[in-house]
Amino acid sequence: GNSVTQMEGPVTLSEEAFLTINCTYTATGYPSLFWYVQYPGEGLQLLLKATKADDKGSNKGFEATYRKETTSFHLEKGSVQVSDSAVYFCALLYSSASKIIFGSGTRLSIRP
Amino acid sequence: GAVVSQHPSWVICKSGTSVKIECRSLDFQATTMFWYRQFPKQSLMLMATSNEGSKATYEQGVEKDKFLINHASLTLSTLTVTSAHPEDSSFYICSARERRAGEQYFGPGTRLTVT
Repeated sequence: GNSVTQMEGPVTLSEEAFLTINCTYTATGYPSLFWYVQYPGEGLQLLLKATKADDKGSNKGFEATYRKETTSFHLEKGSVQVSDSAVYFCALLYSSASKIIFGSGTRLSIRP
Repeated sequence: GAVVSQHPSWVICKSGTSVKIECRSLDFQATTMFWYRQFPKQSLMLMATSNEGSKATYEQGVEKDKFLINHASLTLSTLTVTSAHPEDSSFYICSARERRAGEQYFGPGTRLTVT
C-alpha cells in the first residue's frame, strides 16, 4: 500500500546549521509529494510540494526534490533559524482517492 | 489564499456528553472534506472522507456511530463525537479539497479534552 517513512526525531541543530530531514515513500502510480510544517500550538501549513519526478519544491529557504529512482523527497535548508523550530511532516497524495498519507513527523529544535 | 476554519478551537467536555466540531471553507467551495485525528507528538491519522451531500467514508477501525460526520453544504462539514470518553481526547483536524483546482487546505485544528 501507500506509505511514507521519514526520519525520526527529535532533531536538534544550532542556528545557521544545514538541515536534512529524510523522507521516502511507497506508492502505486505517481503521487504528489508534500512537506507540511506544524508550529507549536498551530495547525498544519503547506511548506512545499512537487507533483512529478524531478520537480523541486521550494519555500522559505527550504527545498525538496522528487526523486522517483530513489522514491525520496528529502527536505533541506542551508541555514536554519530558531523560528524554524516545528514539527515537519512528509506526505503523499494519491489522486485516485484524494487522500493524503502522512509520515510520522520530525520534531526540529534550533538552538540560538 | 484559501482558508479553512474550525470551531471551536478547543473544547472541554464531560464524559458521556457529545461534542460537535465545525469545519468551514471560508472562500472556496469544497466538494470533499477530510477529518484527521492527531495524538500528542504523533502523526495525523485519517478518520474519514466526506463528500457534500453523501455519507462519509470511514477508515478502517474508526467507529462511524461514535464519530458522526455531516457534510451538508459545499462549505461546511461537522464532526460530532458522541458519548465522549477520556480516550477520545485528541487534536482533530479537518482539511477541505477545493472544488476547482483540487488543492487541499487544512484547518487549524480543535483540541478536545474529555474529563
